[in-house]
Amino acid sequence: AQKVTQAQTEISVVEKEDVTLDCVYETRDTTYYLFWYKQPPSGELVFLIRRNSFDEQNEISGRYSWNFQKSTSSFNFTITASQVVDSAVYFCALSRMVTDSWGKFQFGAGTQVVVTP
Amino acid sequence: AAGVIQSPRHLIKEKRETATLKCYPIPRHDTVYWYQQGPGQDPQFLISFYEKMQSDKGSIPDRFSAQQFSDYHSELNMSSLELGDSALYFCASSSSRDYTEAFFGQGTRLTVV
Repeated sequence: AQKVTQAQTEISVVEKEDVTLDCVYETRDTTYYLFWYKQPPSGELVFLIRRNSFDEQNEISGRYSWNFQKSTSSFNFTITASQVVDSAVYFCALSRMVTDSWGKFQFGAGTQVVVTP
Repeated sequence: AAGVIQSPRHLIKEKRETATLKCYPIPRHDTVYWYQQGPGQDPQFLISFYEKMQSDKGSIPDRFSAQQFSDYHSELNMSSLELGDSALYFCASSSSRDYTEAFFGQGTRLTVV
């Protein structure tokens, strides 16, 4: 069985502060995908990043960066210099690396990020 | 680029009524997934179809059924609606031939009154 844990229910920051979202996962698969999705108040799910389990290189994409550590089963996500538009619920998700299961996600409970001016 | 289309975007139904949600995947995507997201919850996997056959099943109530048609669009049929069925329903699609992340539609917000 797969499980994704986002221990932070809500994080409140002031604009321009950095925000780090924690994600810990459990899976018996040796290969898998990890994702971060953003859900603004309008409700749609916005894809942010994807990593596969055999690529632990951490990267930066604009104001987003992530820290994937397979040894600790963690996939943390950081927003640098937060903006009010970053206010949303952020979901960490896991999917199997199997052809007809790429879109079958196990989501975490989500972390509400509130950025105030 | 074409995205996943869900219709309707909003739907209001009364208890015990029936609702049909539609999902049109990205062209050439052969796999469709349905999710239900209750208020304050994370999306929960309901069911998926690959090449018009059910490929996996999650916590889908017996009152719900779904199918994928020859043109790969999918419909989620929900009968005997209950207040607790009020939720955001997402459809996602992916291609088995070349991996890309699954793309989500914008969702259908179902309100049962």
